[in-house]
Amino acid sequence: EAGVAQSPRYKIIEKRQSVAFWCNPISGHATLYWYQQILGQGPKLLIQFQNNGVVDDSQLPKDRFSAERLKGVDSTLKIQPAKLEDSAVYLCASSLGPGGYNEQFFGPGTRLTVL
Amino acid sequence: AQSVSQHNHHVILSEAASLELGCNYSYGGTVNLFWYVQYPGQHLQLLLKYFSGDPLVKGIKGFEAEFIKSKFSFNLRKPSVQWSDTAEYFCAVNADNQGGKLIFGQGTELSVKP
Repeated sequence: EAGVAQSPRYKIIEKRQSVAFWCNPISGHATLYWYQQILGQGPKLLIQFQNNGVVDDSQLPKDRFSAERLKGVDSTLKIQPAKLEDSAVYLCASSLGPGGYNEQFFGPGTRLTVL
Repeated sequence: AQSVSQHNHHVILSEAASLELGCNYSYGGTVNLFWYVQYPGQHLQLLLKYFSGDPLVKGIKGFEAEFIKSKFSFNLRKPSVQWSDTAEYFCAVNADNQGGKLIFGQGTELSVKP
């Protein structure tokens, strides 16, 4: 079974530029998550999708971050404009369903460096 | 707000030593508890989980964890570590009113010397 795919794996940009990350979840997984992991910290949930609807985006900095999952499968996370403090690993995870009982499977992450 | 605290940032052990990593959380309601592991160069993967029932849960690779509700703790243990256990370990909590949202601790880096 293929795992969660993410691209790119690494991205270096300058502040004020824009960047987009892509995630392809495990086939059949209705729930998709984006987490931000800053160096030395644990992952922090940015947004959770159930199919193509947003379940929780309470910790998404909406002035600069946006995410979509238009067809309920792939998802993109965008940052525009980027700030230095956005340097982090962005993790995508998916699960069969939305509840805590459903194991979340994580992708390899995209490491973003903002200069 | 819910939070998860892991007591040790970096633990160094010799092979065959016993391991215990501490994890405490702050939330008064029902929780689901997890330990995730990230081996060097690999992605996060589930080590073990607790939903209900026996508070002593066993996971992969000989790991186990004990849920002590009165202490809001979910410590990870292994009787004898191996060099291949070198990794970063994350404790995570899912609160019953938070859908699938996981709140992670800051992680503990484990280095096992051969």
